[in-house]
Amino acid sequence: SAVISQKPSRDICQRGTSLTIQCQVDSQVTMMFWYRQQPGQSLTLIATANQGSEATYESGFVIDKFPISRPNLTFSTLTVSNMSPEDSSIYLCSVEDEAGSSYEQYFGPGTRLTVT
Amino acid sequence: GQNIDQPTEMTATEGAIVQINCTYQTSGFNGLFWYQQHAGEAPTFLSYNVLDGLEEKGRFSSFLSRSKGYSYLLLKELQMKDSASYLCAVKNSNYQLIWGAGTKLIIKP
Repeated sequence: SAVISQKPSRDICQRGTSLTIQCQVDSQVTMMFWYRQQPGQSLTLIATANQGSEATYESGFVIDKFPISRPNLTFSTLTVSNMSPEDSSIYLCSVEDEAGSSYEQYFGPGTRLTVT
Repeated sequence: GQNIDQPTEMTATEGAIVQINCTYQTSGFNGLFWYQQHAGEAPTFLSYNVLDGLEEKGRFSSFLSRSKGYSYLLLKELQMKDSASYLCAVKNSNYQLIWGAGTKLIIKP
């Protein structure tokens, strides 16, 4: 299984500012995913990031608010722009296990964001 | 629409057995996953079912009936460390992963 790290692990930010979250994987993967998880809730997919192409955003999420970079097969960033308190959440990146048959997803430890 | 239903919360006793149910309605089916998530941590993969039947992995087993749109996760010999949320997720025909809201399992001594 892939080992995934995220930076920062947590941050407290002021409204109107932006935060970039980094996700590093210890192996090359085709697809990386960015999720948001609000307290006590399930995971909501923000976008899918493939290397060499534009990220694909889910309904309700737009590139201007959540720009994503995917410069190579082991790294991605998610920026939360012009933040408001509603953006307070845990942000998780994940990858699919392409070596196995089930393509299960493995998650990074998450970034806990609080917007004041 | 697509949806996955799980009980919000369940309570069980240490050493006992608990079954967490999951029903789903999705556009197509390409596998069902169970994940465990401890409070404040990321989800970790537990099991995968794509064919009908029971998959056993130590103290945990997962069952699937595609015709009924139903799965369950069975946890045996419960330990206090099993207190966590258990998430059911289904991969649809577009290979998108649809997530349930999770079941919070509370283990009492």
